[in-house]
Amino acid sequence: GAVVSQHPSRVICKSGTSVKIECRSLDFQATTMFWYRQFPKQSLMLMATSNEGSKATYEQGVEKDKFLINHASLTLSTLTVTSAHPEDSSFYICSARADGTVNTEAFFGQGTRLTVV
Amino acid sequence: AQSVTQLDSQVPVFEEAPVELRCNYSSSVSVYLFWYVQYPNQGLQLLLKYLSGSTLVESINGFEAEFNKSQTSFHLRKPSVHISDTAEYFCAVSPVPGGYNKLIFGAGTRLAVHP
Repeated sequence: GAVVSQHPSRVICKSGTSVKIECRSLDFQATTMFWYRQFPKQSLMLMATSNEGSKATYEQGVEKDKFLINHASLTLSTLTVTSAHPEDSSFYICSARADGTVNTEAFFGQGTRLTVV
Repeated sequence: AQSVTQLDSQVPVFEEAPVELRCNYSSSVSVYLFWYVQYPNQGLQLLLKYLSGSTLVESINGFEAEFNKSQTSFHLRKPSVHISDTAEYFCAVSPVPGGYNKLIFGAGTRLAVHP
């Protein structure tokens, strides 16, 4: 399968600071990328969908000004958690899909564990 | 809206024993169904999926799942597990025709295979 890489795998930041998480498709061009969040003992929840060169579409209840998503190239999407607070501590996972239909498989990164102290 | 319930958060099993990981879903529309596996420090990998056709789907490493529409279930089974099957398993659904756009995940089941 195709490879999607997230960086960093773990990050600790101070409350009030911003942190950026990168999601890269290493061997294919990702026209669509998805960002998920998983709280302990809970399901992965879709936060937003981004298409290269377009603004991200956020799911209901996700603050777009807090979770900034940039998908400026076909191999890179970034999620920036702005003014992070302890309640933003979570596991963030991206997935990426090449051009095609909605049934084109999306491949997942290994996730980023964010801890806000 | 859709929801997914994975009934067991952890399943311990001995090597070479059979295993079943349970998944039930709720949806008012037709759905696609998926099982993903996550090995330590790796991303989620698609294990198998049901889009249409035969309700019994198989993976290349011996897992199978059966879509039961009347019971709204998609349980994952393997007749004989290996140590290497130790991982987190996620069941997911997507409303037709959402495909991979609208994956809704369960909370995951940690399968621990002991020697």
